[in-house]
Amino acid sequence: GAGVSQTPSNKVTEKGKYVELRCDPISGHTALYWYRQSLGQGPEFLIYFQGTGAADDSGLPNDRFFAVRPEGSVSTLKIQRTERGDSAVYLCASSSTGQGKNEQFFGPGTRLTVL
Amino acid sequence: RKEVEQDPGPFNVPEGATVAFNCTYSNSASQSFFWYRQDCRKEPKLLMSVYSSGNEDGRFTAQLNRASQYISLLIRDSKLSDSATYLCVVNEGAGGTSYGKLTFGQGTILTVHP
Repeated sequence: GAGVSQTPSNKVTEKGKYVELRCDPISGHTALYWYRQSLGQGPEFLIYFQGTGAADDSGLPNDRFFAVRPEGSVSTLKIQRTERGDSAVYLCASSSTGQGKNEQFFGPGTRLTVL
Repeated sequence: RKEVEQDPGPFNVPEGATVAFNCTYSNSASQSFFWYRQDCRKEPKLLMSVYSSGNEDGRFTAQLNRASQYISLLIRDSKLSDSATYLCVVNEGAGGTSYGKLTFGQGTILTVHP
């Protein structure tokens, strides 16, 4: 079956611009996560959705970052006034439930470059 | 102190070698533990979960010591295809419930050479 998909695969933008990153989870998965991975580091948690609601957004670095999941499936991560430090690979993952023991399936990521 | 710390690596080993990775975590309330594998410029994929009793999957053995807050991964008879970054991962849960926020170590790079 189809895995987690993310679009675009690459995004180059200029400092100060607005970007949207999209995630399509595995069909039927209720839990969706966003992570950010910088070069040479492990992924870093940003936000977790259970259904349509953000159950934990403690990893969002500041108020320039926002994410939605209006119908409980597709999610969009939105970054306003991008900064060079936002450059990273943004990974989305989904799991069948929100339980910690369940495997999270990751998408291929969106590589964001802010010039 | 980082929440999940791994051996810095990188590890360069010949085919057939046995290699061990170690990891410590700081949150004693952590509830689930995993090793993920990440190939270059690819997404992380679950290699195996780690249980207190220890568990084995073919050439891979994982151990968890909750008292020492220590996790290990042993790879026997290394193959060229084992070359990747190995990520130690902890699920910390929240308020006593276990939900899926994962905390990753920085990863250890393994290169297996002929």
